[in-house]
Amino acid sequence: QVQLQESGPGLVKPSETLSLTCSVSGVSIYSYYWSWIRQPPGKGLEWVGHINYSGDTNYNPSLMSRVTISVDTSKNQISLKLSSVTAADTAVYYCARHVIIAVAAFDHWGQGALVTVSS
Amino acid sequence: DIQMTQSPSSLSASMGDRVTITCRASQSISSYLNWYQRKPGKAPRLLIYDASSLQSGVPSRFSGSGSGTDFTLTISSLQPEDFATYYCQQSYGTVTFGPGTKVDIK
Repeated sequence: QVQLQESGPGLVKPSETLSLTCSVSGVSIYSYYWSWIRQPPGKGLEWVGHINYSGDTNYNPSLMSRVTISVDTSKNQISLKLSSVTAADTAVYYCARHVIIAVAAFDHWGQGALVTVSS
Repeated sequence: DIQMTQSPSSLSASMGDRVTITCRASQSISSYLNWYQRKPGKAPRLLIYDASSLQSGVPSRFSGSGSGTDFTLTISSLQPEDFATYYCQQSYGTVTFGPGTKVDIK
């Protein structure tokens, strides 16, 4: 059974770096692409970026200058770092698996981690 | 970015009804269109990918069609568990999601 679990601080100060980890169980990271997706309160879903097991990444251009996604194959984890955060980065952050390597459709999602940016 | 619109934004339907939801892209996206179901407090559930491919485990009453800019999700006979919000998502360019269509009980 594939499970994804996001973890990390729920509160981050403005201008600091948001850091989240997605722990994957039930499947190896090697066979899939993995994305981060976020949803600010009252707003729609926004794709942040994706990574494969080799570490190849693709980011949303609107966030590219601030985002880093990495993979730790030894721990079967994917990480997200978003620098210089502002209140606009307050959101529920989800990690999700791509259904097929070549298809950016997301068949398994974590339960989401709420991150609030506030001093 | 490719903008996605959905219509209607909400609809009321009865069990057993045939329901059709439309999604339109601001430019051609070939068949790079996916559909999700979402219930309150839950993550989205993938229903259809590549416009018409039924995701494993999804009931066959769900179907998708379309290509280019116009797509539809059809529920052939609405069941109690289908009352939810439905989203489209394109993966032709930078991934973007539609605003959602809420299906509730008439």
